[in-house]
Amino acid sequence: DGGITQSPKYLFRKEGQNVTLSCEQNLNHDAMYWYRQDPGQGLRLIYYSQIVNDFQKGDIAEGYSVSREKKESFPLTVTSAQKNPTAFYLCASTWGHSNQPQHFGDGTRLSIL
Amino acid sequence: SQQGEEDPQALSIQEGENATMNCSYKTSINNLQWYRQNSGRGLVHLILIRSNEREKHSGRLRVTLDTSKKSSSLLITASRAADTASYFCATDAWTGANNLFFGTGTRLTVIP
Repeated sequence: DGGITQSPKYLFRKEGQNVTLSCEQNLNHDAMYWYRQDPGQGLRLIYYSQIVNDFQKGDIAEGYSVSREKKESFPLTVTSAQKNPTAFYLCASTWGHSNQPQHFGDGTRLSIL
Repeated sequence: SQQGEEDPQALSIQEGENATMNCSYKTSINNLQWYRQNSGRGLVHLILIRSNEREKHSGRLRVTLDTSKKSSSLLITASRAADTASYFCATDAWTGANNLFFGTGTRLTVIP
């Protein structure tokens, strides 16, 4: 079955620690996205990538980093510089052209220990 | 900000009733999309309506778009308890990157 897989489902971070969230898709989509969702809120864009080896900052990129070395994979690192990382993180992918829906993974919930 | 805003923030109805959710946005769009999110899960795409369309149907869903008022509505007919979820509208950004701007959502509760 084609889809997007995010792991882990739950993640805990200690103070000063970097953590990496995984996102893998087998839909052959060109574009991939990372969003942050806080309780009762909408989605805010962290980073996006339209092609391999290229990515762009979204609205709230500070304290986060990404890589796009393979078409299928778009990992997100939450660095120690992100002082309020507790949130629900969602990864999505789509075809690169307009008027296409985004397909979402089931999210990773990150909490601070 | 180009972010859409849904109205109401929360809606509670009896099973079998219709549910209407509204979305307003601020700038010109290429398309508007509606998504559903069950608690603790990812978003699921429901329907996409292009800026040159006024109405679109998919099963029990009906979406309208009024670009002159910069607003859209999602109607769910004959609601079921399984329709309980948060519903988000999302607009594109005309940047060519297919980026979407999401609203804050409407939390729908359907009471059996």
